[in-house]
Amino acid sequence: NAGVTQTPKFQVLKTGQSMTLQCAQDMNHNSMYWYRQDPGMGLRLIYYSASEGTTDKGEVPNGYNVSRLNKREFSLRLESAAPSQTSVYFCASRELSGSGELFFGEGSRLTVL
Amino acid sequence: EDKVVQSPLSLVVHEGDTVTLNCSYEVTNFRSLLWYKQEKKAPTFLFMLTSSGIEKKSGRLSSILDKKELFSILNITATQTGDSAIYLCAENSGGSNYKLTFGKGTLLTVNP
Repeated sequence: NAGVTQTPKFQVLKTGQSMTLQCAQDMNHNSMYWYRQDPGMGLRLIYYSASEGTTDKGEVPNGYNVSRLNKREFSLRLESAAPSQTSVYFCASRELSGSGELFFGEGSRLTVL
Repeated sequence: EDKVVQSPLSLVVHEGDTVTLNCSYEVTNFRSLLWYKQEKKAPTFLFMLTSSGIEKKSGRLSSILDKKELFSILNITATQTGDSAIYLCAENSGGSNYKLTFGKGTLLTVNP
């Protein structure tokens, strides 16, 4: 059972560099999410995709872009990384019902120098 | 203004103690409230609550929702060192059915 798979697990970037975090789920879920987690801040929603072909901003979208490539895959792109984007990023997915649990990936630790 | 407020933010107890973690939320279009446990990696699901007054239970953990007073509690009895984790609650509500809003979490440390 792969569930939600994120890559890479660790990444170090210099300020201004770009990178893409990849996420794939094999549970046939319609909704996918990207969260960031910083110490003492809980999980904050960056972007989400309610279904294939749609994306919407969450609480902290500035500096990020997303692509819902197909039903399985949802990528997060940092076009010009900043130190404030140093964080742990979690991808998650769930059914479209709107009341089900989220299934999380293992997380991606990103450091921007 | 935070939509989901957890308290306390951190808590240190001894093995065998009972703890109660609190989560208050806003009411707009409430659908459900979820509890997660996070150790070193990804959050793992504990409970989903939709109805007031109905306790959900799993071993030493239990949770209940009060929709009138807009809060939920997570109880852990006879705590063990393996219960040390961040406990997160999340509200599923608002204008969109698709977002979960998390609180900042409660860091629980259980000492031997």
